[in-house]
Amino acid sequence: DTAVSQTPKYLVTQMGNDKSIKCEQNLGHDTMYWYKQDSKKFLKIMFSYNNKELIINETVPNRFSPKSPDKAHLNLHINSLELGDSAVYFCASSPRRASPQHFGDGTRLSIL
Amino acid sequence: TQLLEQSPQFLSIQEGENLTVYCNSSSVFSSLQWYRQEPGEGPVLLVTVVTGGEVKKLKRLTFQFGDARKDSSLHITAAQTGDTGLYLCAVPAKGRDDKIIFGKGTRLHILP
Repeated sequence: DTAVSQTPKYLVTQMGNDKSIKCEQNLGHDTMYWYKQDSKKFLKIMFSYNNKELIINETVPNRFSPKSPDKAHLNLHINSLELGDSAVYFCASSPRRASPQHFGDGTRLSIL
Repeated sequence: TQLLEQSPQFLSIQEGENLTVYCNSSSVFSSLQWYRQEPGEGPVLLVTVVTGGEVKKLKRLTFQFGDARKDSSLHITAAQTGDTGLYLCAVPAKGRDDKIIFGKGTRLHILP
């Protein structure tokens, strides 16, 4: 059973398009996150939700909009994709804020 | 700005050798986490250390938290090719209870 699953695993699209990434966790955790990992493997937090409530919104362009329909799901919608958005996006969850994280396997986004 | 420095940035050694990687900061932390990320996958939690001077063992991996809780080391005995990966340390963000921050990692490659 996959604890944190995100789809799609690969996403190749043209600049200017809009795309969504979905994430689901079956661990019963209260907190979910989106991270961006750049080409140098630096992992940086983008958003965090606790019980469907947004608690962290780091300096991320407002083209990125997270949505949590329930505490087991956290989706990420990206408008007007730019070349610099190419990266691996990881979803994660944890029992409480700032406790050890469980990560999905990532979505590799490539912008052409 | 809270900074976590990991060293070395890259390490390539022969199978069977021993190695140590480090995670350092000038700040004191309440806890510190170590993760391993294999190619194409998300980071996986290895251990959390909480007490200054604490030592935890996970088979051939030995983790130590510095006495002053500012740094940590990971020692691997008799490295195996399966140890290859990106090793990340992470700590709760200073003055915040809602997120953790990651170091830039050590990329370890074990040669057969």
